[in-house]
Amino acid sequence: EIVLTQSPGTLSLSPGERATLSCRASQSVSSNYLVWYQQKTGQAPRLLIYGASSRATGIPDRFSGRGSGTEFTLTISRLEPADFAVYYCQQYGSSPPTFGQGTKVEIK
Amino acid sequence: QVQLVQSGAEVKKPGASVKVSCKASGYNFTPYYIHWVRQAPGQGLEWMGLIDPSSGSTNYALKFQGRVTMTRDTSTSTVYMELNSLRSEDTAVYYCARGALSARGVMVLYFDYWGQGTLVTVSS
Repeated sequence: EIVLTQSPGTLSLSPGERATLSCRASQSVSSNYLVWYQQKTGQAPRLLIYGASSRATGIPDRFSGRGSGTEFTLTISRLEPADFAVYYCQQYGSSPPTFGQGTKVEIK
Repeated sequence: QVQLVQSGAEVKKPGASVKVSCKASGYNFTPYYIHWVRQAPGQGLEWMGLIDPSSGSTNYALKFQGRVTMTRDTSTSTVYMELNSLRSEDTAVYYCARGALSARGVMVLYFDYWGQGTLVTVSS
C-alpha cells in the first residue's frame, strides 16, 4: 500500500500568513488521485481538495493544491482564524486508500 | 442536504462486539458506496472498508478481514458496521463516509460527506 508522509508535523503561523503543507507518497499516485481534508477538534474531516488541485464545493479560493507523482502541496494563501486545524492528505489512486499522519496548523 | 447520522457512543469489554449504524438522507442512497474510517485518540485516519448499498458487496481492509462485517438496509437507507473480538487498541472514533463519484459517475475512493463519528471505548 502507498505510504503518505506529511510535513511538517506542526506549523505555527499567525493569521494572514501563508501556510504550505507537504505530502509525499512512497510511490507515484495514479492519476494524481490525491485529496486534502481539514479536521477541527471534535469534528469529522471536511473535504477541501480532490484530484490534487480541484477545490470541493464551497471551499474558498485561499485553499489551493498542486503536485503530481509523489509530491503534493496544500497552500492556504492567507490564514484566517477558522483555518487553524489539522490537515490530512489521502491517496485514492490505489486500494487501499491511505492517509498521511496529518499536519497541525496552530496559531503562533 | 446530504446527512449521515451515526448511532451513539458505546463502551464494550475486551472480546465483545460492537455494531454502529449510519443512516443516510438527502440523496439517492444506492449509487454511493459507504466507507468506514476510524481514528484512535490523538491519531490519524484509518480506512476499514466499504459497502456498496446497491448490491451489498463489501471490500475490507486486510487488517480487519475476519473481524469486521458491513451490512445495509435499503428500506431505511442505513449501513451497519460490526467489529468483533474487540481489544483496547480498537478504542477510537468510527466514522461512516460517503464515497465520491467522479465527473464520469464512477466511484472513487475518497469521501465527500462524513457522519459525526461514534466513539467506541474498549475497556475492562
